[in-house]
Amino acid sequence: GAVVSQHPSWVICKSGTSVKIECRSLDFQATTMFWYRQFPKQSLMLMATSNEGSKATYEQGVEKDKFLINHASLTLSTLTVTSAHPEDSSFYICSALPGAQHFGDGTRLSIL
Amino acid sequence: RKEVEQDPGPFNVPEGATVAFNCTYSNSASQSFFWYRQDCRKEPKLLMSVYSSGNEDGRFTAQLNRASQYISLLIRDSKLSDSATYLCVVNDGGNQFYFGTGTSLTVIP
Repeated sequence: GAVVSQHPSWVICKSGTSVKIECRSLDFQATTMFWYRQFPKQSLMLMATSNEGSKATYEQGVEKDKFLINHASLTLSTLTVTSAHPEDSSFYICSALPGAQHFGDGTRLSIL
Repeated sequence: RKEVEQDPGPFNVPEGATVAFNCTYSNSASQSFFWYRQDCRKEPKLLMSVYSSGNEDGRFTAQLNRASQYISLLIRDSKLSDSATYLCVVNDGGNQFYFGTGTSLTVIP
């Protein structure tokens, strides 16, 4: 149980493109989901906490207008990287409760 | 002071060896504790939760020491497939989860 699916798993885009990443809880309802970013050889960095039906809570230093989060249902949260630039290239991972955090497969984003 | 601290390693051990990792946490009110493993370029996967009484899953044993505020993971009879980064995660009882930086393990043939 507690399966989290993330899509797409890999995306390559031109600079200036906006990219949407979906995170779905497949067999449970998730009132809270988390979005992380991980650069090579570094630890996970929490970007924001996504709450169903309300605004996301962003960590310090994360631009909410740059990383738009929508958690419109109990099984889906989306992260949109707006006007992505090469420095946004990273591994983006979502996770959902209950209990422990259950992670999606991750999305490897490469901006050319 | 970081919420959660881990020795980053790397730990390089031969097959069949026993290896132990520790992780310390700063908030004495922390409620839940977990060990995850993360393979290169993959998402973290839950290895085991850590209970006050200690728990074991096959070759893996996790323990919690609340007095000294640390958790440990013991891996017996190491396999090549155990090579990964092991993440310690601490929860404050709400939605705050604190991740260690991870401990790198390489099991050598």
